[in-house]
Amino acid sequence: AQSVTQLGSHVSVSEGALVLLRCNYSSSVPPYLFWYVQYPNQGLQLLLKYTSAATLVKGINGFEAEFKKSETSFHLTKPSAHMSDAAEYFCAVTQETGANNLFFGTGTRLTVIP
Amino acid sequence: DVKVTQSSRYLVKRTGEKVFLECVQDMDHENMFWYRQDPGLGLRLIYFSYDVKMKEKGDIPEGYSVSREKKERFSLILESASTNQTSMYLCASITLDTNQPQHFGDGTRLSIL
Repeated sequence: AQSVTQLGSHVSVSEGALVLLRCNYSSSVPPYLFWYVQYPNQGLQLLLKYTSAATLVKGINGFEAEFKKSETSFHLTKPSAHMSDAAEYFCAVTQETGANNLFFGTGTRLTVIP
Repeated sequence: DVKVTQSSRYLVKRTGEKVFLECVQDMDHENMFWYRQDPGLGLRLIYFSYDVKMKEKGDIPEGYSVSREKKERFSLILESASTNQTSMYLCASITLDTNQPQHFGDGTRLSIL
């Protein structure tokens, strides 16, 4: 079975500082990996996805993530945090058996301190 | 742009009521999903459907049922609502290509009193 672990349910950074949100996955087959963002009172919006092409994936709003097979990680980064980045972030991996099911991590709430 | 519309943003119901949550997508997607989202637990899959009149149980189907009579509409039904079903409910849809992401609605925050 596939699973996702997000380390840190809450992360706080200062405005302008580096954002690093951690995601580790378990999968016996090459996975597809996704990062979603959820702003207050909204649904989930796709930030970026890894689908076995380039290991460094660039997404919207200046975010990027690097797929590291040796570490089974897909950490999300942004060089300089902005106040508008405050949200909850979810890492997700596709299920092995298809049907496009996603396994989600428990989420990381990002706070940006002015 | 894909649009997934959930009929209600906020809903308040009483224990024992039968509750319907509706979801409509406009991109002719084959697969549709219902999740519930709770603090510290992330998103958990309740049911999904890969075709009209087809449904599969997810990780937490107990107390719920679904209906998919038309391709664009996927309904979640709480047969007899209970307070532990107070939650945020999210609907999503996706095409068959696993390379593509799921598209989500804005969610329904359901309170059971």
